[in-house]
Amino acid sequence: DVKVTQSSRYLVKRTGEKVFLECVQDMDHENMFWYRQDPGLGLRLIYFSYDVKMKEKGDIPEGYSVSREKKERFSLILESASTNQTSMYLCASSSVGGQGAYEQYFGPGTRLTVT
Amino acid sequence: DAKTTQPPSMDCAEGRAANLPCNHSTISGNEYVYWYRQIHSQGPQYIIHGLKNNETNEMASLIITEDRKSSTLILPHATLRDTAVYYCIVRGRNTGKLIFGQGTTLQVKP
Repeated sequence: DVKVTQSSRYLVKRTGEKVFLECVQDMDHENMFWYRQDPGLGLRLIYFSYDVKMKEKGDIPEGYSVSREKKERFSLILESASTNQTSMYLCASSSVGGQGAYEQYFGPGTRLTVT
Repeated sequence: DAKTTQPPSMDCAEGRAANLPCNHSTISGNEYVYWYRQIHSQGPQYIIHGLKNNETNEMASLIITEDRKSSTLILPHATLRDTAVYYCIVRGRNTGKLIFGQGTTLQVKP
């Protein structure tokens, strides 16, 4: 079974702090993704990565950066946390499947509260 | 990227089949239809995907119309544990990214 783990289930940080959210997958997947989920807005893609040291902006990258130094690990960084970044953060990974399919496997999520 | 339209909510009796519809009228020929679900407080879970043909796995069946403008996810014998938000997604054209809509909240009732 694919396993995607996230460093914390719940996190509380203060405004202005630098925040690191870590994601690790154990299936040698090439692709990794960071989403945030907010009530009424659904899941929105922040950043994704197709390979080590490679990253691409998603739909809402402002205020975030990412790092992928190893294939199995994808980190989301909030350089200076703000209250509007309070959200559920979800990491996912996928391989390039047969016929170009891209099933994504999600972690359990990190609920971040910025006070 | 093609957009999808789903009813916001549906009910289903336990043990009966749950049929969840999805419209994706702007889908292009090389785009896949994916279904995911999200049980409360958990990450989304992949269910099934398809391109043109109907598909079945241990969780569900996916029926795609011949013109590919709509599809139906079928849970053949719904249980209370199937209560979740179900997302119908068309894969991004040139990337692996998925665009999630609001989904359908399925409530399975005893």
